[in-house]
Amino acid sequence: DAKTTQPPSMDCAEGRAANLPCNHSTISGNEYVYWYRQIHSQGPQYIIHGLKNNETNEMASLIITEDRKSSTLILPHATLRDTAVYYCIVRGVGDKIIFGKGTRLHILP
Amino acid sequence: DAGVIQSPRHEVTEMGQEVTLRCKPISGHNSLFWYRQTMMRGLELLIYFNNNVPIDDSGMPEDRFSAKMPNASFSTLKIQPSEPRDSAVYFCASTLGSLPRIGELFFGEGSRLTVL
Repeated sequence: DAKTTQPPSMDCAEGRAANLPCNHSTISGNEYVYWYRQIHSQGPQYIIHGLKNNETNEMASLIITEDRKSSTLILPHATLRDTAVYYCIVRGVGDKIIFGKGTRLHILP
Repeated sequence: DAGVIQSPRHEVTEMGQEVTLRCKPISGHNSLFWYRQTMMRGLELLIYFNNNVPIDDSGMPEDRFSAKMPNASFSTLKIQPSEPRDSAVYFCASTLGSLPRIGELFFGEGSRLTVL
């Protein structure tokens, strides 16, 4: 079972930052937070992952709260191509990657 | 670089027929995963291989499903006999490393199966 809670859908205006929340209140100390996205009719695509510290790469930033019970994925300047389902996944060392229902992000022109 | 390659992209078959889905992982990757996606159940992990050996097949729905990885560059997922409820998109993914230390999974474009 997925260990995360995400809103089913969100809207964001093109060019603005998209902030996607994820609740993982039962996360344990050795579990990582992963984000993937799935653009329509394509396979899921890895975005970023982190343990405690905030992380940034060319695609996005991951902000994890100090108590690690929630996180936010930030797409700094959303484009229409960012329209997708975004999955937040909590995974411990040795665990399988289990996808939940995700958040359907709509980028509005 | 070539990504994960799956074939066929689309398959339409009749109930009772055998279906074979194929996957070529990224060269050098030593872990391979088969997922199934439906509207009702979302993305489900079916089976996971490491170094060509099946490590966890607890997600395989029933005996009609079987998966093999005869070498590092090829895997198959077979359904025999197929049923309408097997209709789904089947994804293959690969990565370098084993479960304790994997990071990023690279997914193929999927094989859309329709069983009439």
